[in-house]
Amino acid sequence: GQQVMQIPQYQHVQEGEDFTTYCNSSTTLSNIQWYKQRPGGHPVFLIQLVKSGEVKKQKRLTFQFGEAKKNSSLHITATQTTDVGTYFCAGPGVTGGGNKLTFGTGTQLKVEL
Amino acid sequence: DAGVTQSPTHLIKTRGQHVTLRCSPISGHKSVSWYQQVLGQGPQFIFQYYEKEERGRGNFPDRFSARQFPNYSSELNVNALLLGDSALYLCASSFHRNTEAFFGQGTRLTVV
Repeated sequence: GQQVMQIPQYQHVQEGEDFTTYCNSSTTLSNIQWYKQRPGGHPVFLIQLVKSGEVKKQKRLTFQFGEAKKNSSLHITATQTTDVGTYFCAGPGVTGGGNKLTFGTGTQLKVEL
Repeated sequence: DAGVTQSPTHLIKTRGQHVTLRCSPISGHKSVSWYQQVLGQGPQFIFQYYEKEERGRGNFPDRFSARQFPNYSSELNVNALLLGDSALYLCASSFHRNTEAFFGQGTRLTVV
């Protein structure tokens, strides 16, 4: 079955440093979604990428979708303590569809002052 | 507007018992999906319902079942609970099957 891996599993940074998490799928994805889950909270939708090679920015966050639509990345510039949480990528399979999302393994981000 | 609401927020059950979890989607959303999230892992897809019909099922045993009502709310039922069923159960709603998913706060189920 489809597998979605993320690296790194954990990342500790000093406030102000940059952070990147990488997402790799075993199958081609029709789209990739990114979610953020704060400790004790629920996943919150951040963005959806659909096109091959697509790049989208949200303030300090930059999202990329790979040319082969099998990988993606999230980059945060100048992290802040409010960025703390676990970041998940998620995507349906090419033959799937609907919100039968396969979530990645997640990257837990900790930001220290 | 209210977001996705789930009830109860916390639940403790004994092995072998049955549990029913409830979810009310965002008004106007017709798709409801259920996920199980074990501590330290990403959410695992259980079911998707759209327009009151099951549209997808994850790799979970038949002890897990769900349904969607005419008002688009949904229930997840788990029979013969096992210790391994202890997890956060998340409900997500979306307008269509392929649009972004909005998650509820989840039901924390503990099986003892």
